[in-house]
This record gives sequence, structure tokens and C-alpha cells, in this order.
Amino acid sequence: NAGVTQTPKFRVLKTGQSMTLLCAQDMNHEYMYWYRQDPGMGLRLIHYSVGEGTTAKGEVPDGYNVSRLKKQNFLLGLESAAPSQTSVYFCASNPYGAGSYEQYFGPGTRLTVT
Amino acid sequence: GESVGLHLPTLSVQEGDNSIINCAYSNSASDYFIWYKQESGKGPQFIIDIRSNMDKRQGQRVTVLLNKTVKHLSLQIAATQPGDSAVYYCAENTGGFKTIFGAGTRLFVKA
Repeated sequence: NAGVTQTPKFRVLKTGQSMTLLCAQDMNHEYMYWYRQDPGMGLRLIHYSVGEGTTAKGEVPDGYNVSRLKKQNFLLGLESAAPSQTSVYFCASNPYGAGSYEQYFGPGTRLTVT
Repeated sequence: GESVGLHLPTLSVQEGDNSIINCAYSNSASDYFIWYKQESGKGPQFIIDIRSNMDKRQGQRVTVLLNKTVKHLSLQIAATQPGDSAVYYCAENTGGFKTIFGAGTRLFVKA
């Protein structure tokens, strides 16, 4: 099992450009999440999904959109990047009904917006 | 509002000593707590969890203590090793999909 993978690992964007971050998991997990990590602020939830075809807003959703067309993939889109979106982005997943809320994280995507 | 905070942003310990990382939480409704370890350049990794109906849980070299009276959580690492150097996050969950992470404590292990 590869676990949770993220593409790309690094990206530099100019203000106003768009991009999509891809998250894939091969553990057949129902729940998937996108977080951003900024110095001194821990991880903040952007959007999440409780199953294929469903998405919901988290704590800091503005400026981002998501889609989950397939159970194993969760895409995070930035339509018009801003310098405030410079961050490290982590995807995570966990199974439904496992009796635990442990989340499995990907390696992260470091995004810089200039 | 909900918040998970840490008493110390950094902790430095001597190799072989025990480490204690503390965490405070404010939501009385939280019933599940997790500790994650994040090494440089990697995503957070699960260490240990505890439910609110417990006050102690032990793993391999790690122990989590929960004091619901003062809303305090701690992670104890026995015989700290250089490989334990990382940022440690406590996280709380109220039973839904929302997990709230603290700001993290960086642990330095001195050889």
C-alpha cells in the first residue's frame, strides 16, 4: 500500500494563477480531508469529504474548491492564487466505523504564491 | 470557542531522559484525543489516542494522560531517543468529522 500520496510536492505560482492539488489514497477510506499548515498555527481544515460525490467546508474554505469524483481521489483547487495561500497543504484520510478517528496523512505539498 | 493549546512551544531534553509534552483543551464535549508526531518534511503520524472515559493509556515507550477536571492532556516519552526529535501535535475530536489540532511542540533531543 502506498497509503496517501500527494501531487505535486512543490509548486510556485504567481498571484492570480490557478492550480489543482491531487490527493490519492489506496486504503479504501471513506473520509478525506485537506488541511493547510502555517507556522505556529497547527493544521487547519480547509474542506473535507465523507464519501464519493460529497464535500463540505471546514474552518478556512475561502479561496479553495474541492471535488471527490472517485472514492480514492480528493482534489483541491485554487482558482486565483493569492500570497496568503502560501502554505504547506496536507491531505488525510480515515476509514468509517473503525472506532478511531486516527487520520492518515500524505507527505504534503509546499505551495508558494508570489 | 474550541481551542487546543500547548504550554510550551519547544522542549529540549537529554537523550535517555523522559519527555513530557503538555496540552490544554477548552471543549468539554471533546471525547477523543490523539497525539501526532511530525518529522521534518513529512506529514503527521499517529502516535497514540485516548478516549474521555479513560485517564491513562500506554503504548510502546509512550503514555498519554488525560485530566478532564482541568482539561489537560500530556504525552510522556520514556528514554527519549534522537529519533524522537519532531513536532508533536495534540488533537481533539468531539465524535464528528472535525478534528482540532494544537499549534505543536517542537522536541529537541540532545545527544
